[in-house]
Amino acid sequence: GQQLNQSPQSMFIQEGEDVSMNCTSSSIFNTWLWYKQDPGEGPVLLIALYKAGELTSNGRLTAQFGITRKDSFLNISASIPSDVGIYFCAGRVPGTASKLTFGTGTRLQVTL
Amino acid sequence: DAGITQSPRHKVTETGTPVTLRCHQTENHRYMYWYRQDPGHGLRLIHYSYGVKDTDKGEVSDGYSVSRSKTEDFLLTLESATSSQTSVYFCAISAGQGNSPLHFGNGTRLTVT
Repeated sequence: GQQLNQSPQSMFIQEGEDVSMNCTSSSIFNTWLWYKQDPGEGPVLLIALYKAGELTSNGRLTAQFGITRKDSFLNISASIPSDVGIYFCAGRVPGTASKLTFGTGTRLQVTL
Repeated sequence: DAGITQSPRHKVTETGTPVTLRCHQTENHRYMYWYRQDPGHGLRLIHYSYGVKDTDKGEVSDGYSVSRSKTEDFLLTLESATSSQTSVYFCAISAGQGNSPLHFGNGTRLTVT
């Protein structure tokens, strides 16, 4: 199956700091999605990317679809306590419209 | 919440018993999915459906079966539960057009003793 490496696995940051996480794939993807999961809930879609080089923002979140189509990053600016959670990347291989491959997640904890 | 209801939210069952989890959607989306989430593994696809009575296997389908008799309902059955199937199960839906993103329910926590 596809391999998706997500890093870092976890991070502790101070409120107000910027955060960066990324995912790399062994295969070319035509879609990158970023999700956030809070305890006891399902993942919630943050940003969807569909073209190589695409840079998309959602409030304080910015994500980019890598030029090689094998990587993506997510940045969070000026972190706040409610940013705590697990962030997942997910990608879709061309020709497999029905299936997503997920990274193993980045656990973000914010200290005041 | 994208109009997805999973039931039950929590279940404890014994090894060897059959278990059925239900996913109900109100979005009339064509695609429905079952994932399991385990520490260190992220989300892994069990089965998915691309229409009524149309289903296919995912990467971890052994020991699971699914059925979809109506657009809005997708059932996941563990034919004979094992301790390795202790997990959190998530249902997801998508419109299925091109690269439509998936939207998830809030999960069912299953414990097999």
